[in-house]
Amino acid sequence: DTQLTQSPSFLSASVGDRVTITCRASQVITKYFAWYQQKPGRAPKLLMYGASTFQRVVPSRFSGFGSGTEFTLTISSLQPEDFATYYCQQLDTYPLTFGGGTKVEIK
Amino acid sequence: DVQLMQSGGDLVQPGGSLRLSCAVSGFTLNDHHMDWVRQAPGKGLEWVGRSRHRVTSYSTEYAASVKGRFTISRDESENSLYLQMNSLKIEDTAVYFCARYIDSGFNDKWGQGTLVTVSS
Repeated sequence: DTQLTQSPSFLSASVGDRVTITCRASQVITKYFAWYQQKPGRAPKLLMYGASTFQRVVPSRFSGFGSGTEFTLTISSLQPEDFATYYCQQLDTYPLTFGGGTKVEIK
Repeated sequence: DVQLMQSGGDLVQPGGSLRLSCAVSGFTLNDHHMDWVRQAPGKGLEWVGRSRHRVTSYSTEYAASVKGRFTISRDESENSLYLQMNSLKIEDTAVYFCARYIDSGFNDKWGQGTLVTVSS
């Protein structure tokens, strides 16, 4: 199984801060990788997808980078609506797996 | 407008069975792989299983934790996806989500989730 390790698991930040979340995979991911945002009581929401060239489906302050076994999600200027939990996911191989999540809270 | 409307969550005793439904609209169900994902209270997301699309004969994949106990099926006439859960365990307690898979490699639309509680 491909294990995904997210770091940090929790971060406290202020509106306007730049934050970066890392997702490390136990095996190389060649094609299918995605980032999601989840707010309490809601379903996950797709942020971006791709394993080398990322396609964004949300505002441009969100950006993704990485390939192989290390991926990052960066929010360039944190907005109030961005306080949530973020998950990475690999869809390359079965079983599909998620990272443990990164909770972004207001400082 | 693409929608996935879930139902079927309930309180069930250990060893019991339950069937979850995911009624879709706004797209052709059988053109897409469909996934089930769950989230235990206060925990992260866990993939449960997949039903592949018509072209791949609706074949299925399951997480090891549910294989042999859970079965994913579809009813094209009802535009619905199902998750039949048997031999339920306390650790199956979770909110269950259905999600549409896009061949570019992501889940783009999700149901609202339905809570399954396994307790005596």
